[in-house]
Amino acid sequence: DGGITQSPKYLFRKEGQNVTLSCEQNLNHDAMYWYRQDPGQGLRLIYYSQIVNDFQKGDIAEGYSVSREKKESFPLTVTSAQKNPTAFYLCASSLRGDYGYTFGSGTRLTVV
Amino acid sequence: SQELEQSPQSLIVQEGKNLTINCTSSKTLYGLYWYKQKYGEGLIFLMMLQKGGEEKSHEKITAKLDEKKQQSSLHITASQPSHAGIYLCGADKMWGAQKLVFGQGTRLTINP
Repeated sequence: DGGITQSPKYLFRKEGQNVTLSCEQNLNHDAMYWYRQDPGQGLRLIYYSQIVNDFQKGDIAEGYSVSREKKESFPLTVTSAQKNPTAFYLCASSLRGDYGYTFGSGTRLTVV
Repeated sequence: SQELEQSPQSLIVQEGKNLTINCTSSKTLYGLYWYKQKYGEGLIFLMMLQKGGEEKSHEKITAKLDEKKQQSSLHITASQPSHAGIYLCGADKMWGAQKLVFGQGTRLTINP
């Protein structure tokens, strides 16, 4: 079955560490997105990529980095520069020209 | 400031009752999406509206987009426990942007 897979489901980070969240899709979608969700704030866009080897900053990109070396993969690194990284992170993908978005099941990141 | 305002933020209804959730923007919306989320999980696509005055239904859920394309409503008829969760509206900020912004979500609780 086609879908979008995020791993791990839960992640714990010590202060000062970088961590990488994985997002893989086998839907042959061109565009991929990373959102952050905090209680009562809905989803906020971190980074997005519409084609391989290209990506753009979203509304809250500071302290995050991404890469898009393959169409299927869009990993997100939460760096030590992100001061408040504890949140629920959602990855999504869409086919260009088709405005439907498919979401992964999310990764909950906690700083310990 | 929130680009999409959802109301109410929280809603508790008796099983079998009808309810409505609203999503409002100060600007014209190009594509309005409704998603449902169970706590700690990804978003499930419900419906997409594009044309002013458009209305779509699926089972007991009906979504409408007003003529000005600045307000959408989600109506659930004869609510059931399975309807409980967080409902989010999302919208394209501009035509072809493929970059959704979201409301803060409405948490729906169904009491038996």
